[in-house]
Amino acid sequence: GAGVSQTPSNKVTEKGKYVELRCDPISGHTALYWYRQSLGQGPEFLIYFQGTGAADDSGLPNDRFFAVRPEGSVSTLKIQRTERGDSAVYLCASSLAGQGQFNTQYFGPGTRLTVL
Amino acid sequence: AQSVAQPEDQVNVAEGNPLTVKCTYSVSGNPYLFWYVQYPNRGLQFLLKYITGDNLVKGSYGFEAEFNKSQTSFHLKKPSALVSDSALYFCAVRDGAGGYNKLIFGAGTRLAVHP
Repeated sequence: GAGVSQTPSNKVTEKGKYVELRCDPISGHTALYWYRQSLGQGPEFLIYFQGTGAADDSGLPNDRFFAVRPEGSVSTLKIQRTERGDSAVYLCASSLAGQGQFNTQYFGPGTRLTVL
Repeated sequence: AQSVAQPEDQVNVAEGNPLTVKCTYSVSGNPYLFWYVQYPNRGLQFLLKYITGDNLVKGSYGFEAEFNKSQTSFHLKKPSALVSDSALYFCAVRDGAGGYNKLIFGAGTRLAVHP
C-alpha cells in the first residue's frame, strides 16, 4: 500500500519567508510525528499528534514553528520568519496509536528545506 | 534522559563478510530499541525492533540485532554483507515520557560495503 508522502520534496526559500511543509500519513494511522534531521545528525523529534491534537510539542525549537492536523490525517508544519539555521530535512512518520503499546513508525521521504 | 550512542561514524566491510554496527543505550525503565536504514535522498526505512522477549531480533533484508542488557547494547548484524547494504544506519530508543512513543536517534553510522 501507499506509504507516508511528503510535499514538496525540496523547498528553497529566503531568510524571513514563511513556509509550509505537508505530510500525508499512511491511511488508518492515527499517530503522526514530525522530526528534523540536520546535516550529519540523526533525526530529532519536533511534535507528535494523536488524532487532531498535538499531544507533545516539546521538540519545537521556538514559537516560529507550528503544526496542525485539522482532520486527523494530513498534517502541515509551518515555519514563520525562516532562518538559515532552519535548513534541514524535515521528516514525517506515522503509526497506529502512538500511546501505550509501541507501534512501528513509518517515515516519509522528507522535505529538504534550504533557507538562503 | 533516554539516549543512544553509535560510536562509529563509518564501518567498512568487504562484500560477503559479516558486519556489525554498534549501538549502546541509556534508558530508565525497559528499553524499546530500533534500527532504521537511510538510503541517499530517501526517508528512513524500518529494519527491526526490540520490545521484549528473545534477545536476538530478526528483521528485514537479512539483518538481525542482539539485545544485551548487561552491556546496554543493541548491535546490528548481518552474516554476509552486500554492496547494496551500503547506507546510513540509525539506532533509536523510545522516549516514553508521558506515555508517548517519540524516538531518540543516534547520530548514525555510515556502512560502506566494498566489492
